[in-house]
Amino acid sequence: NAGVMQNPRHLVRRRGQEARLRCSPMKGHSHVYWYRQLPEEGLKFMVYLQKENIIDESGMPKERFSAEFPKEGPSILRIQQVVRGDSAAYFCASSPRRDDGYTFGSGTRLTVV
Amino acid sequence: AQSVTQLGSHVSVSEGALVLLRCNYSSSVPPYLFWYVQYPNQGLQLLLKYTTGATLVKGINGFEAEFKKSETSFHLTKPSAHMSDAAEYFCAVSDSLANKLIFGSGTRLLVRP
Repeated sequence: NAGVMQNPRHLVRRRGQEARLRCSPMKGHSHVYWYRQLPEEGLKFMVYLQKENIIDESGMPKERFSAEFPKEGPSILRIQQVVRGDSAAYFCASSPRRDDGYTFGSGTRLTVV
Repeated sequence: AQSVTQLGSHVSVSEGALVLLRCNYSSSVPPYLFWYVQYPNQGLQLLLKYTTGATLVKGINGFEAEFKKSETSFHLTKPSAHMSDAAEYFCAVSDSLANKLIFGSGTRLLVRP
């Protein structure tokens, strides 16, 4: 059973470009969570999704950021018009149930130049 | 609101010595508590979790943690440190109704030969 798969592992974008981060949850996991880790900091919650639904997006910046988890395919975290401050590691996690302990992916490290 | 405080951003121990990583939480409802380990450039791996029941929780790699409600603590211990334990450790809390984990800022464990 493959773990949570995130791609790409590393992503470099110029300021103003779009970044698309993909996450395929573990088989049988219908809950997906996105977290952001800034350098030397802990993880901060961004958004929680179930298939085709956003359950909690209280940690998402109001502008430029969006997330989806379609019926088919991976979950996508999209950042439009990236800025230097978006440089961070973005982690996806999945679980079969709420409050069950997540399985994290290895993350996507976004660098904005 | 929930919060997590990890005392000591860096902890250094000798190989074979006791490991003690401190975590205090704040929660208005019975908490679910977690410890995760992160190796360089990798995702987070669940070490152990407390939901209900026995307050002493045993995890992987010889780690254990004790939930002490009166002290609002969930400290992580290991009797004898190994070089491979060198990593960053994160404590996290959630409540039974929430969708997200609240992470502490992390403690970097260094193991001296």
